[in-house]
Amino acid sequence: DTEVTQTPKHLVMGMTNKKSLKCEQHMGHRAMYWYKQKAKKPPELMFVYSYEKLSINESVPSRFSPECPNSSLLNLHLHALQPEDSALYLCASSQRWPSYEQYFGPGTRLTVT
Amino acid sequence: AQSVTQPDIHITVSEGASLELRCNYSYGATPYLFWYVQSPGQGLQLLLKYFSGDTLVQGIKGFEAEFKRSQSSFNLRKPSVHWSDAAEYFCAVGEGSNYKLTFGKGTLLTVNP
Repeated sequence: DTEVTQTPKHLVMGMTNKKSLKCEQHMGHRAMYWYKQKAKKPPELMFVYSYEKLSINESVPSRFSPECPNSSLLNLHLHALQPEDSALYLCASSQRWPSYEQYFGPGTRLTVT
Repeated sequence: AQSVTQPDIHITVSEGASLELRCNYSYGATPYLFWYVQSPGQGLQLLLKYFSGDTLVQGIKGFEAEFKRSQSSFNLRKPSVHWSDAAEYFCAVGEGSNYKLTFGKGTLLTVNP
């Protein structure tokens, strides 16, 4: 299994809502990543988890809260988002961290209204 | 700081024609170099990577890339393009001691029948 899965595929939420994005991999990878990609732009790193511990937070606002319950699962909890947070959120994993050989999921398209 | 330049924002080729997408990087030492492809609304798929050794790298889907240190380039090539190759292509560089991938701004490939 060489796949990273993400749910949901699409999410529309209001600025007062609380929602979560989910990412899963069963490749035995021990590092997982969240990226944000705005339209027509390259992905930007948000968070890195290594062995279920948060290793990197790229100065992301606290309205984004990551969680890694186990080595296969990565969540991104969303609260009080702004319309400018609308983007494609990509999850990735790698065998270890740091590693550049990252496998990406299909992403969750988030729209904040 | 390392940087990646993809000079072509948009390229259009006819199906069956050859393709070359340009990528230039700025980095002091030998970088780790990558090409990713992103189909509309999808995540990123790793096409090929260069870490060291043979400067001509073969990837998936019939793509290849050549690392030229003298020109600080890592151009992606394909001898005969298929309509399914239409997508956004990102070149990325990883620094040896850094965890981060730095992406170029991407080149959108359109394939005409």
